[in-house]
Amino acid sequence: EVQLVESGGGLVQPGRSLRLSCAASGFTFDDYAMHWVRQAPGKGLEWVSGISWNSGSIGYADSVKGRFTISRDNAKNSLYLQMNSLRAEDTALYYCAKRVATGGYFDLWGRGTLVTVSS
Amino acid sequence: EIVLTQSPGTLSLSPGERATLSCRASQSVSSSYLAWYQQKPGQAPRLLIYGASSRATGIPDRFSGSGSGTDFTLTISRLEPEDFAVYYCQQYGSSLTFGQGTKVEIK
Repeated sequence: EVQLVESGGGLVQPGRSLRLSCAASGFTFDDYAMHWVRQAPGKGLEWVSGISWNSGSIGYADSVKGRFTISRDNAKNSLYLQMNSLRAEDTALYYCAKRVATGGYFDLWGRGTLVTVSS
Repeated sequence: EIVLTQSPGTLSLSPGERATLSCRASQSVSSSYLAWYQQKPGQAPRLLIYGASSRATGIPDRFSGSGSGTDFTLTISRLEPEDFAVYYCQQYGSSLTFGQGTKVEIK
């Protein structure tokens, strides 16, 4: 089955760190760029970060630049998001998304993992 | 950064009616690099339209996209009960940004 499964979310205090993971299956993971998109409770979608198939190109939203680090392990079919210096405004459902080969849109999404930043 | 503004915020319609959703960009979206997604409560977004007007695999033909430059439209020709959801546009011509969403609710 073609799917993405996120994990690693939880309740964390402001200023602390958390690492999210996304396990991919059912497709050739290292053929595709992968991204993280988040959704604050009751709000819209916000692109967070993306990484090319070979990790050669990486991008971040200004809101997380310098605090979050995206990475991938193609041997493990996995995507990661290291989140440091977390803030209350980082509270959101974090989705892992597969970018299509020929464009910047997403044809496969996970169900998300919830990150809550609160003291 | 290209800002996408969707209107209306909420659209109240009955099944069988036509829905017209707008997505306006703060600057021209190159090569019509615009996508539309549908999101139902508790679910991940689902790709509907890419390249402004191409339907994704498995999407019914009652969904259509149009537009170019700064003005784009998603049209649902006849609303089915399962179409009541939130719809987002996304541009991928310059970095990646999403609109704030339009909720299509049952009148």
